[in-house]
Amino acid sequence: SQKIEQNSEALNIQEGKTATLTCNYTNYSPAYLQWYRQDPGRGPVFLLLIRENEKEKRKERLKVTFDTTLKQSLFHITASQPADSATYLCALGGYSSASKIIFGSGTRLSIRP
Amino acid sequence: DVKVTQSSRYLVKRTGEKVFLECVQDMDHENMFWYRQDPGLGLRLIYFSYDVKMKEKGDIPEGYSVSREKKERFSLILESASTNQTSMYLCASSPGESLTDTQYFGPGTRLTVL
Repeated sequence: SQKIEQNSEALNIQEGKTATLTCNYTNYSPAYLQWYRQDPGRGPVFLLLIRENEKEKRKERLKVTFDTTLKQSLFHITASQPADSATYLCALGGYSSASKIIFGSGTRLSIRP
Repeated sequence: DVKVTQSSRYLVKRTGEKVFLECVQDMDHENMFWYRQDPGLGLRLIYFSYDVKMKEKGDIPEGYSVSREKKERFSLILESASTNQTSMYLCASSPGESLTDTQYFGPGTRLTVL
């Protein structure tokens, strides 16, 4: 069955460092991958989308890579700030317009001052 | 900005009660979704709708039903609430081109069933 794996352990990073989160998947060939941010008690908020033919995407301090050979996406936050502390979810989308997005369970990121 | 609102942030109900969770979006989106989110399990799709009066089962529809009488409103119904339905419920909407479009989420309803 299709499976998405994100590091279930919280990631603790010193402010100013680069945070790197991993999303691995199996038994799936996604057309694209999305990253969302979720704050406690809130719904997820869309951050970035990267398509299967794109290797890298950037938005301000965020960078996402997508390696379809390794079946992996990396999500980087450079110059991290305490305000970046949240849970980050990856989600996969298929080629068919009728296929549904599959979400990972998320990784909690904490940036300490 | 897209706005998705949910009728309650917190809800406490008793076992056996019928529970209604309401979701409204203001961006004329075709698709609407209901998820539940539990620690370690991520977001699990309960039901979705791609048009008014149309609905499709997601991955965990048992014990739930939905209603979409108007385009902007998607309701989740727990016919007879049980304690294992205690969870965070999230509603989302997306534009109509594809079910895999970026989704816009509401703030969530934390439901406790006693």
